Amino acid sequence: DTGVSQNPRHKITKRGQNVTFRCDPISEHNRLYWYRQTLGQGPEFLTYFQNEAQLEKSRLLSDRFSAERPKGSFSTLEIQRTEQGDSAMYLCASSPDRGFTEAFFGQGTRLTVV
Amino acid sequence: QKEVEQDPGPLSVPEGAIVSLNCTYSNSAFQYFMWYRQYSRKGPELLMYTYSSGNKEDGRFTAQVDKSSKYISLFIRDSQPSDSATYLCAISGAGSYQLTFGKGTKLSVIP
Repeated sequence: DTGVSQNPRHKITKRGQNVTFRCDPISEHNRLYWYRQTLGQGPEFLTYFQNEAQLEKSRLLSDRFSAERPKGSFSTLEIQRTEQGDSAMYLCASSPDRGFTEAFFGQGTRLTVV
Repeated sequence: QKEVEQDPGPLSVPEGAIVSLNCTYSNSAFQYFMWYRQYSRKGPELLMYTYSSGNKEDGRFTAQVDKSSKYISLFIRDSQPSDSATYLCAISGAGSYQLTFGKGTKLSVIP
């Protein structure tokens, strides 16, 4: 499978716990994005990487959120001290290094905070 | 006013009907326009993209952009039950790395 891969697919955690999600982009794509999607809404941008550099972060990305992309390959998104409001689908996407954003999404990680 | 407005539906049509899905946007700086299809509990799948006013056709799908009215449309001809999904419009501006999505329109095609 040469698409964007996300793990785990589902995560249930207790409030206050830390969680980490992984994204493996399409291999030749330099750009990687994280989005969050809640029920009945479209995806909302969280952050963007060009290779290993994190170039843009949304104001939605509070201090409890951190993302990394070591060596410009896979990426991780960590949420510390989870809150019930963090329950959502976390989507990763990647795109080639072109002038417009033609992003291909993974299947997402569905987080439920109880 | 939200940057991208999209009627969430739901929209229900009989098989074989022509479907029209629409979005409006407020920022004239937006230059790139995309349509994604999302099945339940799956990630969005890119259907079509365009960066100019006019029509772009791909099989049963036609994307239409009117920059003067800040209005984009997706038409689906000969709709099939397998087209039942949520359709999301997404827009980005020149030099921007992020997509701004509409809420999505939930479509059901009834056999």
